Amino acid sequence: KAGVTQTPRYLIKTRGQQVTLSCSPISGHRSVSWYQQTPGQGLQFLFEYFSETQRNKGNFPGRFSGRQFSNSRSEMNVSTLELGDSALYLCASRGLKDSPLHFGNGTRLTVT
Amino acid sequence: AQSVAQPEDQVNVAEGNPLTVKCTYSVSGNPYLFWYVQYPNRGLQFLLKYITGDNLVKGSYGFEAEFNKSQTSFHLKKPSALVSDSALYFCAVSANDYKLSFGAGTTVTVRA
Repeated sequence: KAGVTQTPRYLIKTRGQQVTLSCSPISGHRSVSWYQQTPGQGLQFLFEYFSETQRNKGNFPGRFSGRQFSNSRSEMNVSTLELGDSALYLCASRGLKDSPLHFGNGTRLTVT
Repeated sequence: AQSVAQPEDQVNVAEGNPLTVKCTYSVSGNPYLFWYVQYPNRGLQFLLKYITGDNLVKGSYGFEAEFNKSQTSFHLKKPSALVSDSALYFCAVSANDYKLSFGAGTTVTVRA
């Protein structure tokens, strides 16, 4: 079974631009979560989608948004990029209730 | 609110010796507890989880963890460490099994 796939692996953007990250979950998984990982703040929860609905949201500004499609694939968008948005963005999918999150290898975003 | 503390930034052990990575948590209600491992430039890999049942949980690669409700701890252990266990380890807690709060991580170095 293929794992969680995130594209692209690396991105370099400049301040003020916007970016879209993509995540394909494990086949059959309907829940997709996004996390931001930085050296200073560690791993922080962004949001979680289930069956195309945002089920929970972390404490991030409105510049961070996401969506999920009918095939469970998810995208995350960050608008008006700031230097502090430089991070590893991790997507994770989950199957049945009580099953663990399975993470992708992440997208490394660098904002210059 | 839920949170995790990993009191040690680094743990150094010799190959063949026991390995322990400490974790304490705070959560309202019954906790869902997880351990993940991260290798450089990769996502997080699931090691084990506790939801209910036996306090001693066995996971992947010979790791185990003991849930202690009175001490609100969930320490990760391995009886005999390998050089290949050198990585970054994260403990995580959830009250509802889909929004995880992660600890800051513990870097484990196993010397040959």
